[in-house]
Amino acid sequence: EAQVTQNPRYLITVTGKKLTVTCSQNMNHEYMSWYRQDPGLGLRQIYYSMNVEVTDKGDVPEGYKVSRKEKRNFPLILESPSPNQTSLYFCASSPTGGWSREQYFGPGTRLTVT
Amino acid sequence: QKEVEQNSGPLSVPEGAIASLNCTYSDRGSQSFFWYRQYSGKSPELIMSIYSNGDKEDGRFTAQLNKASQYVSLLIRDSQPSDSATYLCAVLIGNMRFGAGTRLTVKP
Repeated sequence: EAQVTQNPRYLITVTGKKLTVTCSQNMNHEYMSWYRQDPGLGLRQIYYSMNVEVTDKGDVPEGYKVSRKEKRNFPLILESPSPNQTSLYFCASSPTGGWSREQYFGPGTRLTVT
Repeated sequence: QKEVEQNSGPLSVPEGAIASLNCTYSDRGSQSFFWYRQYSGKSPELIMSIYSNGDKEDGRFTAQLNKASQYVSLLIRDSQPSDSATYLCAVLIGNMRFGAGTRLTVKP
């Protein structure tokens, strides 16, 4: 089944404890992206990747890191999480990073930082 | 002005009616426009993409794009209770930018 998977789905952690949220897609998509969704602010892009070893900042990259060593995986790293990073996170992928960027979303990861 | 704006709703329509969802965007050079549906507690699901002026139809859904007016809309014909969800407009403005969403309720 073609899909984007994320792990974990739910995570409660404490300020400053490094964490990684994994994202994997099995559709051989070139483009992958991370978003956070907050009430009243909608979906905001954190980072994106056009292909392996190519990553770039979205609109809200502060406090996050990403890597794209393999085409299928695009982990999101929070080196020192803070309470303002409490949010719902979505990974998405698209066959192409061009203008026809039709994205398919993972199930989401709900992160709480206390 | 926000880069992508949607009427905040909520929008309520009776079953069988046409639901009309609207979105305006700030960048006149935008080329790509998308509508996503998001059920409560779920991830966004792509339902329509449109790239050129005019209408694009897919089943009960019609997307309408007017680049001169910087306006994109989604019409849902014969609305069903299962269409009750939040609808997100997305526009490729450098990065992908999303509106805050319009919550639609279809009442039986």
